[in-house]
Amino acid sequence: DIQMTQSPSTLSASVGDRVTITCRASQSISSWLAWYQQKPGKAPKVLIYKASNLKSGVPSRFSGSGSGTEFTLTISSLQPDDFATYYCQQYGSHSQTFGQGTKVEIK
Amino acid sequence: QVQLVQSEPEVKKPGASVKVSCKTSGYTFTTYGIDWVRQAPGQGLEWMGWISAYYGDTKYALKFQDRVTVTTDTSTRTAHMELRGLRSDDTAVYFCAILDLVVGFDYWGQGTLVSVSS
Repeated sequence: DIQMTQSPSTLSASVGDRVTITCRASQSISSWLAWYQQKPGKAPKVLIYKASNLKSGVPSRFSGSGSGTEFTLTISSLQPDDFATYYCQQYGSHSQTFGQGTKVEIK
Repeated sequence: QVQLVQSEPEVKKPGASVKVSCKTSGYTFTTYGIDWVRQAPGQGLEWMGWISAYYGDTKYALKFQDRVTVTTDTSTRTAHMELRGLRSDDTAVYFCAILDLVVGFDYWGQGTLVSVSS
């Protein structure tokens, strides 16, 4: 299976900050990458699909970039509702895999 | 609207099997496949497998391919995930989901807690 490495594992930030999370694949996955947000006790929700496509209804402060093996999720101005855990997921191979997650905490 | 409703929590002994159900509504069942994802307490997400509700073909994560079987029952619009040879580290919330990541939408079940303890 393709391995996905996310960094950082924890991120402390303030409301209004620009936040960047990185995800690296162990081999090329073209643009077959999604980003999810998960809050405690809830199912995850897709934010970004195909590396840079914003899911309908997701605020435009979220953006994704990258292709091949290096990907980035950016939150341009962190809002109170954004404190959560974020996961990348590759779906470019027969078997999908998630990154280990990045918890965004209040500074 | 699309809904996925999962079966109730389960408590199992080590070595046993568990079958989690995912009953769907609000769409044509054979249009989308069903993914299974689990999350151990305080841990990250782990993709387990997928089944096409139209063709019945499956994909599994290498880690689970010897122990997991996912099936669908078109007559009841229900997907099932069976995990065999349970161990304590299989204690987790198991989610079913529709993940159409080509066009960008997702629907999730509420999750089913499976606890494995002697």
